[in-house]
Amino acid sequence: GAVVSQHPSRVICKSGTSVKIECRSLDFQATTMFWYRQFPKQSLMLMATSNEGSKATYEQGVEKDKFLINHASLTLSTLTVTSAHPEDSSFYICSASWDRGSSSPLHFGNGTRLTVT
Amino acid sequence: DAKTTQPNSMESNEEEPVHLPCNHSTISGTDYIHWYRQLPSQGPEYVIHGLTSNVNNRMASLAIAEDRKSSTLILHRATLRDAAVYYCILRGVVAGGTSYGKLTFGQGTILTVHP
Repeated sequence: GAVVSQHPSRVICKSGTSVKIECRSLDFQATTMFWYRQFPKQSLMLMATSNEGSKATYEQGVEKDKFLINHASLTLSTLTVTSAHPEDSSFYICSASWDRGSSSPLHFGNGTRLTVT
Repeated sequence: DAKTTQPNSMESNEEEPVHLPCNHSTISGTDYIHWYRQLPSQGPEYVIHGLTSNVNNRMASLAIAEDRKSSTLILHRATLRDAAVYYCILRGVVAGGTSYGKLTFGQGTILTVHP
């Protein structure tokens, strides 16, 4: 089946530093990738939609200058949390789809646990 | 986005079938019904999806009501590894934008499987 690899799986950083999370589709070309954030005991919250070769579309309330998304190729999207603060500590999950249609399943990475100290 | 309603939690015994319901009364004609499940500290896992007809795969079956306002995920024989949060989500096309086919997660159903 389709595989999405997310790296790193866990990262601890100091407040004020930036962290980059990579999301790769290993065996298919991902036209669209989605970035989610999940706080403990809560559901996934969509942050942004990343389309290859174009600017990401951010959900309301998500700061695009803080959460930089780059989708430079059909197999790689990156999320950079800039100037991270403790409130950014969360579980970040990416997902990818080979098309934009509603009939295709999304495939998810295993998430990145970010802890900002 | 059309919303879905699921019970907060359900319990089952191992080896027994499990029927997880989902209501989606505002579903549109182009929305597909998707089911995903999530184990602790992992990303969601695709389970099954469908549009109008019932669907079967190696993991589960999806029964879709004729009016499409509800659906049921069926795990034919629950195992301990099926204990997870199950999400029923509608995936459609957002016209006029680039956010095609995004998935908006609700709270899901926490499935507990007893040995």
